[in-house]
Amino acid sequence: AQKVTQAQTEISVVEKEDVTLDCVYETRDTTYYLFWYKQPPSGELVFLIRRNSFDEQNEISGRYSWNFQKSTSSFNFTITASQVVDSAVYFCALSEALPGNQFYFGTGTSLTVIP
Amino acid sequence: DARVTQTPRHKVTEMGQEVTMRCQPILGHNTVFWYRQTMMQGLELLAYFRNRAPLDDSGMPKDRFSAEMPDATLATLKIQPSEPRDSAVYFCASGAQGGTAEAFFGQGTRLTVV
Repeated sequence: AQKVTQAQTEISVVEKEDVTLDCVYETRDTTYYLFWYKQPPSGELVFLIRRNSFDEQNEISGRYSWNFQKSTSSFNFTITASQVVDSAVYFCALSEALPGNQFYFGTGTSLTVIP
Repeated sequence: DARVTQTPRHKVTEMGQEVTMRCQPILGHNTVFWYRQTMMQGLELLAYFRNRAPLDDSGMPKDRFSAEMPDATLATLKIQPSEPRDSAVYFCASGAQGGTAEAFFGQGTRLTVV
């Protein structure tokens, strides 16, 4: 079963619009970690944020914000006032405390910001 | 500026040839991952090391793939013999504290097997 689901395969927005990327996860662990990564057209995977399961505080970093809700097993990512440079594939990932701490990645959401 | 270094960045090889990909993790990181990325399968975990010991390589085709960490500064992924279906981008990532901390990815090796 998919541990991380990113239902949105592709999203297109016009520059300056806000956009939310959805991430739903599945785990039986009480201790786990959630991550978002960005993969721009150049191909590298860039770490954006890490959140542990005991910290449900939302986080804001510039134009980026993350909404973690354990009740719905979601960890959504919002970009405010999108820019062309935000065009990339965004991956949500889950790491469980056991057994091996490996990362489970979603299938990614491709975001295109149109100028 | 600490980063994960992968070599080569691009590799084109003929079917049946041996391919070796190398990764230098970030100094001090005790966890190394190898991932393969394709359009069809997305990011697949191939192998995972902690303190140089393999913890999970269940995602790796054992008959042709092998992964090792000869020392703390080098991880290798070898394919022998290579097949066209191995064409993909192979990423190495390193992290501290196992999977509880973020992993930092290298730029990847784009492998094409013809």
